[in-house]
Amino acid sequence: SYELTQPPSVSVSPGQTARITCSGDALPKQYAYWYQQKPGQAPVLVIYKDSERPSGIPERFSGSSSGTTVTLTISGVQAEDEADYYCQSADSSGTSWVFGGGTKLTVL
Amino acid sequence: QVQLQQWGAGLLKPSETLSLTCAVYGGSFSGYYWSWIRQPPGKGLEWIGEINHSGSTNYNPSLKSRVTISVDTSKNQFSLKLSSVTAADTAVYYCARWFLEIVDSLYYYYGMDVWGQGTTVTVSS
Repeated sequence: SYELTQPPSVSVSPGQTARITCSGDALPKQYAYWYQQKPGQAPVLVIYKDSERPSGIPERFSGSSSGTTVTLTISGVQAEDEADYYCQSADSSGTSWVFGGGTKLTVL
Repeated sequence: QVQLQQWGAGLLKPSETLSLTCAVYGGSFSGYYWSWIRQPPGKGLEWIGEINHSGSTNYNPSLKSRVTISVDTSKNQFSLKLSSVTAADTAVYYCARWFLEIVDSLYYYYGMDVWGQGTTVTVSS
């Protein structure tokens, strides 16, 4: 079955830039989506179609794509950004959605 | 402001059937895909499946043999049934809306932009 691979954890100090990667063989052909999840809460969409930001999401959140890897970048990280982040994409058939294993962002 | 309200039994015995329903309030039901996602305790998200207002479904291949997702357009609701549950099905279950556009029969997905509050389902004898 298709898999998306994320690092389990990323740590940054406040004000620094956090980069969270997601790798998958179908990513050159399928868009990626990113979700933020804080403890006890439902996920929130922060990036869609690789690099688009929904309304209401701060500009410090951005996304990019290169080959089989997509990256979520959080510039000027704030304490409130500490959360789990999940990438999501479709398999090569485009009919089955997959989530990455998630990355815990720690703000030191 | 679209809201999703979900409910269903929270405690099941092994081999029973999980049943959850999600109601859509404050927005259109047609023109979207409606999904179910689950999250085992301390683990990541797993997509279960989706349905549109016409009843067209897609399922996670790993769960397909046990999953049925249905829709009731008269009530703006969609439901999940998962049969023969085991302890491995213990999770928080979420419903969510896939925001998308259909242009010239092509689908353009904009992400799962609205989520339900989650329902904790525990499978235990």
